[in-house]
Amino acid sequence: GQQLNQSPQSMFIQEGEDVSMNCTSSSIFNTWLWYKQDPGEGPVLLIALYKAGELTSNGRLTAQFGITRKDSFLNISASIPSDVGIYFCAGSYAGSNYKLTFGKGTLLTVNP
Amino acid sequence: NAGVTQTPKFQVLKTGQSMTLQCAQDMNHNSMYWYRQDPGMGLRLIYYSASEGTTDKGEVPNGYNVSRLNKREFSLRLESAAPSQTSVYFCASSDSPRSDTQYFGPGTRLTVL
Repeated sequence: GQQLNQSPQSMFIQEGEDVSMNCTSSSIFNTWLWYKQDPGEGPVLLIALYKAGELTSNGRLTAQFGITRKDSFLNISASIPSDVGIYFCAGSYAGSNYKLTFGKGTLLTVNP
Repeated sequence: NAGVTQTPKFQVLKTGQSMTLQCAQDMNHNSMYWYRQDPGMGLRLIYYSASEGTTDKGEVPNGYNVSRLNKREFSLRLESAAPSQTSVYFCASSDSPRSDTQYFGPGTRLTVL
């Protein structure tokens, strides 16, 4: 199956800083999704992207569907302590029958 | 509206024991999924059910069986648990198999000794 390369694996930042993370694939994806997982909880959908070049915001979060359809980016502005968690990208590609492939996650730690 | 619920939240088994993980959703979704999550890994699909009455294997189906009991409920069964099945299990649902947007339950943390 397809694999997603998500980077960085972990980040340790100060409160107020901006954060960027990304996912790349060797194949074209039709949909990109970004999830956040708090400790002991299930992933929660943050942003869904369906068109190449699409830029979508959800509060302080902004995600983009790469123009090549092989990557996606998530930015968090002015980070706060509750942003702590694991962020996962996920996507579906042609031939996957809409099943999602997940990246391995980015662990974000925010120092107050 | 509880979304996706899972029981139990924690479970410890001995090697060779069997158990069933329960999942229910109240969003009237057609499709349901079972994933496992291991440290440093993303979520890996075990089985899914595109609609009531159908089930299909995912990426890592060995050692598991599933039952789509009705539109609301989708259970995952371990017939003879092995230490390699120690993991956190998540159930998810979506409007349809054509919908990429999946909603997850809180997870079941399973330890097999």
